[in-house]
Amino acid sequence: GQQVMQIPQYQHVQEGEDFTTYCNSSTTLSNIQWYKQRPGGHPVFLIQLVKSGEVKKQKRLTFQFGEAKKNSSLHITATQTTDVGTYFCAGRSFFGNEKLTFGTGTRLTIIP
Amino acid sequence: EAQVTQNPRYLITVTGKKLTVTCSQNMNHEYMSWYRQDPGLGLRQIYYSMNVEVTDKGDVPEGYKVSRKEKRNFPLILESPSPNQTSLYFCASSFLLGALTEAFFGQGTRLTVV
Repeated sequence: GQQVMQIPQYQHVQEGEDFTTYCNSSTTLSNIQWYKQRPGGHPVFLIQLVKSGEVKKQKRLTFQFGEAKKNSSLHITATQTTDVGTYFCAGRSFFGNEKLTFGTGTRLTIIP
Repeated sequence: EAQVTQNPRYLITVTGKKLTVTCSQNMNHEYMSWYRQDPGLGLRQIYYSMNVEVTDKGDVPEGYKVSRKEKRNFPLILESPSPNQTSLYFCASSFLLGALTEAFFGQGTRLTVV
């Protein structure tokens, strides 16, 4: 079945440093979504990418969808303590049955 | 307010005692699903449903049952819970078609089976 892997699993950064998490799917995706889960909370939708090679920005966050629609990345510039949490990607297979598969997540910790 | 409501938030039970975790959404979403979250394993899908009376297995369905008799409700049933089902459970819902199919999550249910 479809698998979605994320790296790294954990990331500790000094406040102000940049952070990137990478997402790789075993199958071609129709779209990819990103979610953020604050400690003790539930996943909350951040953004959806649909087109091959698409890049979207939300303030300090930059999201990319790969040309082959099998990988994606989230980059945070100049991290702040409010960025703490676990970031998940989630994709629907291009040839699939609408099942939304989540990645393994990257847990970001900020050192003040 | 658009929301997904799960109950209970916390549950401690004994091995073998049947339990149900309820999930209800008020957004008229077709798609509903259950996930369990375990350290280092991310969100793994248990079951999902694309509409009333349409359910299918996710990646880790063993030991769980679901039903979708109404569009808004999608309960998760553990007929005979075991300690390896101790986990954090999330229900989620979304539209299937359209420009944006973001998933809305419930607050989570932390289940401990002793």
